Parts: sequence; structure tokens; C-alpha cells
Amino acid sequence: GQQVMQIPQYQHVQEGEDFTTYCNSSTTLSNIQWYKQRPGGHPVFLIQLVKSGEVKKQKRLTFQFGEAKKNSSLHITATQTTDVGTYFCAARKNAGGTSYGKLTFGQGTILTVHP
Amino acid sequence: GAVVSQHPSRVICKSGTSVKIECRSLDFQATTMFWYRQFPKQSLMLMATSNEGSKATYEQGVEKDKFLINHASLTLSTLTVTSAHPEDSSFYICSARDGGVGDLKQYFGPGTRLTVT
Repeated sequence: GQQVMQIPQYQHVQEGEDFTTYCNSSTTLSNIQWYKQRPGGHPVFLIQLVKSGEVKKQKRLTFQFGEAKKNSSLHITATQTTDVGTYFCAARKNAGGTSYGKLTFGQGTILTVHP
Repeated sequence: GAVVSQHPSRVICKSGTSVKIECRSLDFQATTMFWYRQFPKQSLMLMATSNEGSKATYEQGVEKDKFLINHASLTLSTLTVTSAHPEDSSFYICSARDGGVGDLKQYFGPGTRLTVT
């Protein structure tokens, strides 16, 4: 089945440093979503990318979708302690039938920010 | 934004007993809800897709007789862990989609932490 590989598994940064997490798929993705899960919390939707080469920004967060729609990245500029958490990418499984809407989650990147 | 609630937030039960977890969409109707399980420091693993008015679709390796799913209304899905064992201890999260066919954004419930002693 479709798998989404996410790296790195862990990232420790000093406050103010940048952070990037990457997702890769062996198959072309229809779209990709990003979620953030705070420690002890539940995943919260951040963004969805649909178009080839798409770039979206949310304040200090920049999301990219590769030209081949097989990879994506999330970049945080000048991290803050509030950025702590696990960041997941998620891709939709094959469309149609009962599989429609099912997401495959990457392994997640656990971000810690040292003040 | 859309809100999904889950109850209970935490439950401790003895081995061999059954536990029911409720997932509700509070301000929208969800024909499809999803149930995930998450072990510490791991990703979310989809267990099953809950379809209103029909049988749930289970992922490979998930025992449908052990994890009973009922989606009786457009705002409520329940997951019952039957004859729970310590290895079933985990964080169970439901999610629901809001919107039409083109909107795949999922809203997650706060999760239920199950501990089986």
C-alpha cells in the first residue's frame, strides 16, 4: 500500500534556529496535508497542498509540494518554544469507494526547542 | 472551525472487560468518521473507517470482532474495545471530515487514553 516516509524522526533546535521536516512518497500524491500534535494533545490540521510545486506560507511556516507531487516539506523560520510538538504529513489514499478520504500518515517529526 | 468531541478522555479498565468510546461531531454532520490508534511517540495508525448507516471498513490486521464500530447517526460513532487486554492500552483518536467530496481536511477529537490493567 501507499507509504509516506517522513524524516527526521527527531529534531532538537535552539530557539531562533530554523527547522525543516520532509515527506517522501514513491507514488504520486493527489494532495498532502500537514498536522501538528502538541505533547499530550491531538493532531490539528495546518494546511493542505494540492498543486504541483505549490508553496504556502503561514507566518513563520512555509509548506512546499514538489513538482512531481511525490514529496513535501514544512519549514519553520526562527523557531519558538511554542513550536514544540510532532509534525505529521498525511496523504490521501486512492480515491473512490470506501477508501475515499482515508489518510496515510507519515511517521512524524518530533520537534523540541531549547530556550 | 469544526469541533469533534470524544468521551471519555481517559479510562482505566481491567483485563477482559469492554470499553466504549464515543466520538461526536458537534457542529457538523459527518457521514464518515475515522478511528486511529497511536502508541507513544509513534504515528497515527488508521484502524477503521466508520460509515453512517453501514458497516465499518477495517484496515488490514485490525480485528473487527474485537474493535466494534457503530455509526448510528451523522454525529456519533462509537468504538467498543471488547475483552480488552494490556496490549490494547493506547491513545485512541477519532476524526471526521467536514464538507463535500472535495474537502478532505480532517478534524480530530481530543483522544481517549485507554489503560488496561
